[in-house]
Formats: sequence, C-alpha cells, structure tokens
Amino acid sequence: QQKVQQSPESLIVPEGGMASLNCTSSDRNVDYFWWYRQHSGKSPKMLMSIFSNGEKEEGRFTVHLNKASLHTSLHIRDSQPSDSALYLCAGRYQGGRALIFGTGTTVSVSP
Amino acid sequence: AQTIHQWPVAEIKAVGSPLSLGCTIKGKSSPNLYWYWQATGGTLQQLFYSITVGQVESVVQLNLSASRPKDDQFILSTEKLLLSHSGFYLCAWGGQQAPLFGEGTRLSVL
Repeated sequence: QQKVQQSPESLIVPEGGMASLNCTSSDRNVDYFWWYRQHSGKSPKMLMSIFSNGEKEEGRFTVHLNKASLHTSLHIRDSQPSDSALYLCAGRYQGGRALIFGTGTTVSVSP
Repeated sequence: AQTIHQWPVAEIKAVGSPLSLGCTIKGKSSPNLYWYWQATGGTLQQLFYSITVGQVESVVQLNLSASRPKDDQFILSTEKLLLSHSGFYLCAWGGQQAPLFGEGTRLSVL
C-alpha cells in the first residue's frame, strides 16, 4: 500500500489560474513533508517544505499542513506555463530511513 | 553548498550486461544517502539507504546492489541487467534537511 497518496493525478489550469494539489500519508511514521517539482527529463527540485501545522507562503506558492490528519496541500496562484511539471509530495519516514514519494500530480498550464 | 554529481549522464546497455552507476557528494560530511528509480512519468521508488561508509540497507529487491566505499560516494550496480531496469536513477542526500537530488542517470536496457 502506497504510504503517501496524491490527488488529483493530473490537472489542467489556465494561465493565471489557481492549482490545488493534495497529499496524505496513511502512516503515522511519516513526519516531515516536502513538495518537489520535476520538469520533464530533469531531476526533482525542492519547492516547499512544511513541518508545523498551518500555512506557509513563498511567492506564488502556499503550502498547508494538518499534522493530525497527515494531510498537506500545495496551492499555486497566478499559474505560469513554466509551472507545467510533475509535482511530487515526499514524506520522511522513520526519522529519515526512507523518503517516500507520492505518485505525483501532473500540472499542465494552458496559455 | 552541497552538490551531488552523478555519472554517467546516460547509458544504453544490453540485457544481461553489467552496470555501475556512481554518485559523489561534496560539501557535506557523513550524509544520509539514497538511491531512487523512476519509470518514465512515474513516481520515485527508493532502492537503497546508507547512513555511513560500509552500511547499506536495501528497500526493494530489484536485482540491484549498492555500496558505499567512501563517505562521499555511493555506487549502484548489477551483474546482469534486465529490461525492467530501464528508467531514471537518482541519487539523493537528506536527513533533517530537504533531500537534494543529483541530476540523474537515464538508463535504457535493450
């Protein structure tokens, strides 16, 4: 069973629109969460991190975390074509023994 | 700043041939190191984890092995490649900080 689940599987967003991505862990051994962005053919780059309950904003990106439900979400406002990519949620498992990635959400921003 | 160098950038190999991929980390001592595999368009599957020289933990069995001969080096290998080994191999270091990935090695097994 996948310990980190992401939804939706894919998303089409108009340029300038808002994209909302979700990630949930089914295992309480997952503590930290990170969001990564991976452009086609490239390696993943860390986009946002969140460790405490609440919200964190960096530019056009906002991340939320609810530790009780092990749910995190990423919101991209004013989406740009360069935001088209695979977005991966990663959870740190058992203190770093494993870094578990979700199945990803493919975001396509249409001009 | 920490950097990760992976080699080679890409490989085309025949089924049944051996393979060795490498990863070197600079700017961080005793890093936690990971090997990941990614099928085209898929998620990242963790293969191995190492916290120190000589210690490697296998996460999934894919007829691959890993070794950590030096503090800053992580090697992935197999004696006999399968078609299913094709994909994108990524080395990463992490722990408390966000995992940092190398640029990856793209492997095609024919």
